[in-house]
Amino acid sequence: QKEVEQNSGPLSVPEGAIASLNCTYSDRVSQSFFWYRQYSGKSPELIMSIYSNGDKEDGRFTAQLNKASQYVSLLIRDSQPSDSATYLCAVISGSARQLTFGSGTQLTVLP
Amino acid sequence: DTAVSQTPKYLVTQMGNDKSIKCEQNLGHDTMYWYKQDSKKFLKIMFSYNNKELIINETVPNRFSPKSPDKAHLNLHINSLELGDSAVYFCASSLGDYNEQFFGPGTRLTVL
Repeated sequence: QKEVEQNSGPLSVPEGAIASLNCTYSDRVSQSFFWYRQYSGKSPELIMSIYSNGDKEDGRFTAQLNKASQYVSLLIRDSQPSDSATYLCAVISGSARQLTFGSGTQLTVLP
Repeated sequence: DTAVSQTPKYLVTQMGNDKSIKCEQNLGHDTMYWYKQDSKKFLKIMFSYNNKELIINETVPNRFSPKSPDKAHLNLHINSLELGDSAVYFCASSLGDYNEQFFGPGTRLTVL
């Protein structure tokens, strides 16, 4: 079982819609959870971090964490073509103290 | 600008050569990292280092070695380069082990 799993996509949504990205992780003692956005040929850019159960909102982005279900998600409201990128879920486990990435979900927002 | 920077941006070299990639951060962070992103875009930790401890991913060949002259710098030295080392290498930094990591622009290494 992969430590961090994401649907690889591609995921396509029309402009203005809500994009929903999902991620599950295997280590129950994971402590820190992040979403990164990576444009083609560029470096990963941190867009959200979440450390406790519940929702965290920042502008058009909402991260949701459910530690009991070992699940973290990212919602992008009012999606824009500029949101088209690969979104990487990343988790720091309590034991390994290392950031483990999922394989990424490629999102395309259609104008 | 406060950031994580890497040099060079591109590195093309022959098999068997030794090369280094430099990384610097001016964010005041205490922990730095090296990641490898392969052709399938999978991003994997290679090393994490603070002034007290080096954590090495067990899958990393010992041809790879991090060198840190001070807290703001973590260079990556690679001996006897192989074709399979071709990838994009990212440096990152954070304040503490469990906090947000910020990435440099990457170094695209091509081994011929």
